[in-house]
Amino acid sequence: GQSLEQPSEVTAVEGAIVQINCTYQTSGFYGLSWYQQHDGGAPTFLSYNALDGLEETGRFSSFLSRSDSYGYLLLQELQMKDSASYFCASSKAAGNKLTFGGGTRVLVKP
Amino acid sequence: DVKVTQSSRYLVKRTGEKVFLECVQDMDHENMFWYRQDPGLGLRLIYFSYDVKMKEKGDIPEGYSVSREKKERFSLILESASTNQTSMYLCASSLGTGELFFGEGSRLTVL
Repeated sequence: GQSLEQPSEVTAVEGAIVQINCTYQTSGFYGLSWYQQHDGGAPTFLSYNALDGLEETGRFSSFLSRSDSYGYLLLQELQMKDSASYFCASSKAAGNKLTFGGGTRVLVKP
Repeated sequence: DVKVTQSSRYLVKRTGEKVFLECVQDMDHENMFWYRQDPGLGLRLIYFSYDVKMKEKGDIPEGYSVSREKKERFSLILESASTNQTSMYLCASSLGTGELFFGEGSRLTVL
C-alpha cells in the first residue's frame, strides 16, 4: 500500500522558518506534491518534486530525497496568512493518482 | 482562470437516501478525482477517471459509485447514504503533472 507520515501540528512566530517533514512508503513512487489548505477552503497546489533536490518558489521551498523516501516543505519569513494545513502527497508512476498524508496544521503567532 | 465547480456546498440527507454530487471542470483535463476529507485522516481517494466512461477505484470505494459521461463532468453517487459517509467531499481535476485543481468541496451530513 501507500502511506505518508507528517507531523500533526507546528506552531511558530511571524518571521520564523518552519520545516514540515514527510516520509512516504509508496510503491511505484513518481513524485511528491505539497498543498496548502486554509480553514473552510479548498486545497491549493504549492509545489511538486519528481527529482532529488530543492525546488524554490518564493518564500516556500520543497525538497525530495528519493533514496530516503523523504521530503520536506520549508516555509520562510512566516506570515500570519501562512496559518493553514499543509499536506504532502505522493504520485505513482502509473498516473496522477495522489495519496495524501494526514496534514500538518501550522499556527503562526504574532 | 482554472475552475472546478461542485454543485452543492452543503447537503443534509437522511440514511438510505440516494445522493448525487456533481463536479464540472472547464480546463479540458483528462483526469478527474473524488476525495473525501475527514479530520486527522487527510484526503482519501474514492474514485478517479482518466477518460470519458472510464473509472477506477481509489482507496475507499465501498458505498460509492461514479459516472463520467462527458469529459468535463464527474459525478459521485451514494446509492444508499449512511451516517459514516458524513464528510467533506472534494472533486479535483489534473493534466497529470502532480498538480490537482480542487473544487470548493461539498459538505455532506447524513442523519
